Amino acid sequence: EVQLAESGGGLVQPGGSLRLSCAASGITFKTYYMNWVRQAPGEGLVWVSRIKNDGSGTSYADSVKGRFTISRDNATNTLYLQMNSLTAEDTAVYYCVRDASLGYWGQGTLVTVSS
Amino acid sequence: DVVMTQSPLSLPVTLGQPASISCRSSQSLVYSDGNTYLNWFQQRPGQSPRRLIYKVSNRDSGVPDRFSGSGSGTDFTLKISRVEADDVGFYYCMQATHWPPAFGQGTKLEIK
Repeated sequence: EVQLAESGGGLVQPGGSLRLSCAASGITFKTYYMNWVRQAPGEGLVWVSRIKNDGSGTSYADSVKGRFTISRDNATNTLYLQMNSLTAEDTAVYYCVRDASLGYWGQGTLVTVSS
Repeated sequence: DVVMTQSPLSLPVTLGQPASISCRSSQSLVYSDGNTYLNWFQQRPGQSPRRLIYKVSNRDSGVPDRFSGSGSGTDFTLKISRVEADDVGFYYCMQATHWPPAFGQGTKLEIK
């Protein structure tokens, strides 16, 4: 069974940092592109970032470019999102999502940016 | 960037009746490889999104055949042949042909 388990969310002050993790199981992790997609409270879905299966290439939405860094560890089947310089607009549930067509989603982790 | 526009944004439907959601893109979604990377997602209340349809009309594993996708170019449709109570929630189209990937605003399906 495919499982994507996000963790690391929580309350952080504006300007602060947070690192999200996503532990993957039930898939051959190293063969898949991986994504982060977020959903602000009561809002729709927004793609945030993607990383190639071998980590050789990364992409970001303009809204997070220069502040967020996606990475992965294929030895431990873990995806990461380092988030710096957080603002209230980054408040959202962050989903770890498998493959370029977003074929499988984790349960999400809530990030709240507030003073 | 490609803009995805869904309609309607709210869809009240009687149980057992059909439902249809439209999704239009600001550019053709036909990729250079000939494929059209248009997907549909369902998000039930309190749950994570789930992909229903990929590449316009291919149902994901476990998706009831009441759900079907169609369309081409810039116009796409998700149809539910007979709405059940379990179908309540939001539906999103998403294009993965052009960079960056983009979602529609979402359509809220509710039971009348």
